[in-house]
Amino acid sequence: EAGVTQFPSHSVIEKGQTVTLRCDPISGHDNLYWYRRVMGKEIKFLLHFVKESKQDESGMPNNRFLAERTGGTYSTLKVQPAELEDSGVYFCASSQQGAGGYTFGSGTRLTVV
Amino acid sequence: EDKVVQSPLSLVVHEGDTVTLNCSYEVTNFRSLLWYKQEKKAPTFLFMLTSSGIEKKSGRLSSILDKKELFSILNITATQTGDSAVYLCAASRYGGSQGNLIFGKGTKLSVKP
Repeated sequence: EAGVTQFPSHSVIEKGQTVTLRCDPISGHDNLYWYRRVMGKEIKFLLHFVKESKQDESGMPNNRFLAERTGGTYSTLKVQPAELEDSGVYFCASSQQGAGGYTFGSGTRLTVV
Repeated sequence: EDKVVQSPLSLVVHEGDTVTLNCSYEVTNFRSLLWYKQEKKAPTFLFMLTSSGIEKKSGRLSSILDKKELFSILNITATQTGDSAVYLCAASRYGGSQGNLIFGKGTKLSVKP
């Protein structure tokens, strides 16, 4: 089966611009998660979708971040406007309902200059 | 604040050596502990440990959880160069989103030929 796919793999944008990251989970996985790793820090949870609904968005840093999962398939994470501290690697993961293991994507490296 | 601490941060060994990676946690409503291997991009799932004292094995890798002392170890025997990676430990909690994982910073393992 195809894994979790994220794109772009790397994005470089200027401060103040908008960037949209996309995640395609494994087909049939209801759960979709976004995480972020800032350089030198741990991977941090951002939010969790169950199908198209936000189950937990307690990790979202602020209102410059908007995640959507229309139709319960792929998800997008938009950062608007981007700030320097938003730089990092954004990971997406998916899992089946009730399953404990999470399959991660390769991540999108975001660099804000 | 919930936290997961991994040690060492970095480790260099030679092929054939046995290594032990450590993960300690202080997590409210602890549910399970997960180990991941991150080689280049996507973290890949290794183990999920929920019960104390039960060793899980997969080839040369094994892991065990001690819920009394709040730690887990990941053992790799007869290491190979292909074991070189960052090994991530993460804890999940009851009561919130299952995907709201608390990650450690990881242990970077380098296996020299």
